[in-house]
Amino acid sequence: EIVLTQSPATLSLSPGERATLSCRASQSVGSYLAWYQQKPGQAPRLLIYDASNRATGVPARFSGSGSGTDFTLTISSLESEDFAVYYCHQRFNWPPETFGQGTKVEVK
Amino acid sequence: EVQLVESGGGLIHPGGSLRLSCAASGFTFNTYSMNWVRQAPGKGLEWVSYISRNSDTIYYADSVKGRFTTSRDNAKNSLYLQMNTLRDEDTAVYYCARVGDDWSGYSPDSWGQGTLVTVSS
Repeated sequence: EIVLTQSPATLSLSPGERATLSCRASQSVGSYLAWYQQKPGQAPRLLIYDASNRATGVPARFSGSGSGTDFTLTISSLESEDFAVYYCHQRFNWPPETFGQGTKVEVK
Repeated sequence: EVQLVESGGGLIHPGGSLRLSCAASGFTFNTYSMNWVRQAPGKGLEWVSYISRNSDTIYYADSVKGRFTTSRDNAKNSLYLQMNTLRDEDTAVYYCARVGDDWSGYSPDSWGQGTLVTVSS
């Protein structure tokens, strides 16, 4: 089973600041990594797939990068609606599909 | 618009059974594989099960294998999760999610709002 480790657990930032979230895989997942955003009481929303492709309707301030075992989600300038929990996900080597434990982006 | 609506959650005693349903609309259901994903209160996401478009391939997480059964009825645009021998640790919000196509890297790209299953005596 591929383990995804996200860091940091919590990121405290102010609106307008840049957010950099990390996801490390226990073995290579190629470029088959996705990022999800989840707000309280809501279902996850797909943001990024195949490491760097934005899903339909996702603002350009969200970008993804990386391959192999190290991946990054960057939010270039935080908007108020971006404060949420972010999960990385792989289905390169599955089953099982696996998720990271999440990074909470909170208001500083 | 893609819509996935789960139902069937509730309070159940340990050892009991429950059947969740997911009603799909807004897309051609029989052309997409589907997942069940759960989230324990205050915790992260856990993949539970996968079913292919025509039900010929079904996978389960080790934590539910032998206790949960995933099925679908393409004529009814519906996905199901039969949960038996429920345990306290099965308490979670259960989401159905559509497995995307090449345009979303085959990642789960649409999710229902979830249904809460609480296993407690």
